[in-house]
Amino acid sequence: DGGITQSPKYLFRKEGQNVTLSCEQNLNHDAMYWYRQDPGQGLRLIYYSQIVNDFQKGDIAEGYSVSREKKESFPLTVTSAQKNPTAFYLCASSIGNSRNTEAFFGQGTRLTVV
Amino acid sequence: GNSVTQMEGPVTLSEEAFLTINCTYTATGYPSLFWYVQYPGEGLQLLLKATKADDKGSNKGFEATYRKETTSFHLEKGSVQVSDSAVYFCALSESGATNKLIFGTGTLLAVQP
Repeated sequence: DGGITQSPKYLFRKEGQNVTLSCEQNLNHDAMYWYRQDPGQGLRLIYYSQIVNDFQKGDIAEGYSVSREKKESFPLTVTSAQKNPTAFYLCASSIGNSRNTEAFFGQGTRLTVV
Repeated sequence: GNSVTQMEGPVTLSEEAFLTINCTYTATGYPSLFWYVQYPGEGLQLLLKATKADDKGSNKGFEATYRKETTSFHLEKGSVQVSDSAVYFCALSESGATNKLIFGTGTLLAVQP
């Protein structure tokens, strides 16, 4: 089945550690996105990539980094510089950069700082 | 900048009641508009979309009409079920070079039997 797979589903991080969230898609989509979800704030865009080896900062990129070495994969690293990383992280992909196309979402990773 | 405003929840309804969740937007150009649904502990799923003014999106008994004159995209359903309990997000896709989605804050719907 085609889709987006995020792993792990739950992740615990100690303060000062970097952690990497995985996102893989087999939909052959060019564009991929990372969103952060906090209660009462909707989804906020962290980074997005429209093509392999290229990505742009979203609205809240500070403290995060990404790579796009393969079309199928768009991992997100939450660095120790991110002061409040506890949140639900959602990865999404879409066919391309047409505004009419829908985004497909993974099941999310819940990150908790302990 | 572009933005989406949704009515705050939670919205609590009895089964078979009529549902309206209000959504208004601010955007330059001609955005596409979407409603996504999120069930507990899961990612978002597209519920419906509309890509130009006066378009009506519909799916699973839900409807929304793209109203440019009032910059609105209100979600409606004539008779809700317990299984419709979820968080509903209104979103717009910016016109231009990217497909970035701008989301509202989400509205929690709780349907009681």
